Amino acid sequence: YELTQPPSVSVSPGQTASITCSGDKLGEEYAWWYQQKPGQSPVLIIYHDNKRPSGIPERFSGSTSGNTATLTISGTQTMDEADYYCQAWDSINVLVGGGTKLTVL
Amino acid sequence: EVQLVESGGGLVQPGRSLRLSCTSSGFTFGDYAMSWFRQAPGKGLEWVGFIRSKASGGTTEHAASVKGRFTISRDDSKTTVYLQMNSLKTEDTAVYYCTRLTEPSGYEGHFDYWGQGTLVTVSS
Repeated sequence: YELTQPPSVSVSPGQTASITCSGDKLGEEYAWWYQQKPGQSPVLIIYHDNKRPSGIPERFSGSTSGNTATLTISGTQTMDEADYYCQAWDSINVLVGGGTKLTVL
Repeated sequence: EVQLVESGGGLVQPGRSLRLSCTSSGFTFGDYAMSWFRQAPGKGLEWVGFIRSKASGGTTEHAASVKGRFTISRDDSKTTVYLQMNSLKTEDTAVYYCTRLTEPSGYEGHFDYWGQGTLVTVSS
């Protein structure tokens, strides 16, 4: 069981970016999302498919449909340029997607 | 303020051992499971393993890629979690991150705080 993300996504400032994560059990299991900027540690931005930790801007949202989880960034800002990783649990193991590099240009 | 500080990284030869430490503060360490991730240069995140809280048994789970070579342990009196790495390979070269896991038993928890990482380079 693997989590599959597109390697890269591009978006213009102010537009909406969508990053997908596909996995056989995602319809049954929760998805989490992390943001990692260059040279920094990852930051949790979405948990339990669609919940935001305190301090995470409202422009970040999550959803699931079938076996695909989607991270949506509304009104994307240049500061959102980063790598994004989805994560799920498979029994006692932690799965992490390959990551998606979001370019804002 | 929650803080996780890793230490112990460095250059090590293939086949040798290294122990990483992660010292925590700002929360009741014993109430949480703790986990390690790694990230090879220019690559994505990879989960290494986690250790449950003592109340949840204090047992560990490790990724298949490191099982039998890496061992996670904890010392609640020192609010520190360790990663013992044996029989190191060049492909273990990575930045290793310590993280807090929100569920004491681990399962279905999320990794809400991350350390700054420590670099391990395995090379002759």
